[in-house]
Amino acid sequence: AQSVTQPDIHITVSEGASLELRCNYSYGATPYLFWYVQSPGQGLQLLLKYFSGDTLVQGIKGFEAEFKRSQSSFNLRKPSVHWSDAAEYFCAVSPRGEYGNKLVFGAGTILRVKS
Amino acid sequence: DGGITQSPKYLFRKEGQNVTLSCEQNLNHDAMYWYRQDPGQGLRLIYYSQIVNDFQKGDIAEGYSVSREKKESFPLTVTSAQKNPTAFYLCASSPDGDGGVHEQYFGPGTRLTVT
Repeated sequence: AQSVTQPDIHITVSEGASLELRCNYSYGATPYLFWYVQSPGQGLQLLLKYFSGDTLVQGIKGFEAEFKRSQSSFNLRKPSVHWSDAAEYFCAVSPRGEYGNKLVFGAGTILRVKS
Repeated sequence: DGGITQSPKYLFRKEGQNVTLSCEQNLNHDAMYWYRQDPGQGLRLIYYSQIVNDFQKGDIAEGYSVSREKKESFPLTVTSAQKNPTAFYLCASSPDGDGGVHEQYFGPGTRLTVT
């Protein structure tokens, strides 16, 4: 079945430490890939996206993500986490060729930052 | 400022009542979407619309209805047939008119509580 998996429901890191949030997808063809961030009670903000080309993509707020076709993964990384990065992070995919550019979301990973 | 407006931010209704959630965008986007968010489940697509006067069901359309009479507006009605309507509802839009893939832009959300 087609799906998006974020294996970690919660992650806690210390301020200044590095971060990696995992995302795996299960689709026949490589979909379009996105990472969004949501602060409590707010809408979603796009961090970065991958459509094609260079498999390492840079986003806003110092985030980057690497697409690995062999692992069907699109993990989000940040070298040094700030307290303001505490939020919920969603990986999303848009299957290629489907009408409507629909997004399918993972369940989300809640990031907590220790001072 | 261009963006997506959802009103109200909090909405309370009694069981058995229909309620309409507003979504307006001034981004001149062709496509609009409604998602429902529940804790630990990510976002699930309710309805989407690619053009005015046309819309399609998403994954969880039962108990919901929409209209798209104007490009900038995509109201969602939660009917009494929706078994568990209490949730956070997010509206999004994207510039899909050229047939390409685009990221979606999200509104701030409406938290609906039905008792």
